[in-house]
Amino acid sequence: TQLLEQSPQFLSIQEGENLTVYCNSSSVFSSLQWYRQEPGEGPVLLVTVVTGGEVKKLKRLTFQFGDARKDSSLHITAAQPGDTGLYLCAGRNSGNTPLVFGKGTRLSVIA
Amino acid sequence: GAGVSQSPSNKVTEKGKDVELRCDPISGHTALYWYRQRLGQGLEFLIYFQGNSAPDKSGLPSDRFSAERTGESVSTLTIQRTQQEDSAVYLCASSLEGQSMGAFFGQGTRLTVV
Repeated sequence: TQLLEQSPQFLSIQEGENLTVYCNSSSVFSSLQWYRQEPGEGPVLLVTVVTGGEVKKLKRLTFQFGDARKDSSLHITAAQPGDTGLYLCAGRNSGNTPLVFGKGTRLSVIA
Repeated sequence: GAGVSQSPSNKVTEKGKDVELRCDPISGHTALYWYRQRLGQGLEFLIYFQGNSAPDKSGLPSDRFSAERTGESVSTLTIQRTQQEDSAVYLCASSLEGQSMGAFFGQGTRLTVV
């Protein structure tokens, strides 16, 4: 099973601040996804990145896939309390292998 | 239904009893996953079904755990002789085939073994 390490494990910031969370592995992934999970709910897909060096933006969220396809980052600009949740990265090393998850970064944005 | 449906939403069972958890995936989704999530933790992969291929059972923690899937439809996860360490939320997800396809999750079954 491919191992995905996420950092930091916990992050508490004030509304309006910027932040970056990281997802790293020693293995190459064919694709990597980011999910957000709120209490009592299942994770919800935010984005999929496939190409090394790819950058995708979703409103205030910017996702980057490393050139070597071993790591990814999620940057949030001007965080809002609604951004609070557990951010999970997940990857596959080929199209027909299971999706494996990191342990997540628990973000708390304080108004 | 429009999304992934799991039942029951909550299950309390006595140690040593068997439990069966059900997942109804999104119609047309060939891939189905089961994950376990302990309190405050990430998702632990259990088992993966993809079309007619043999399931990937590499994440099952012990032989007390098993899962079946009927075609590309409903799946059941069975835990025999439950132990207290089995207490967790069990999440099911389904997706279309392909490396870029996102997984759609149900709300999970919260299992408590007392």
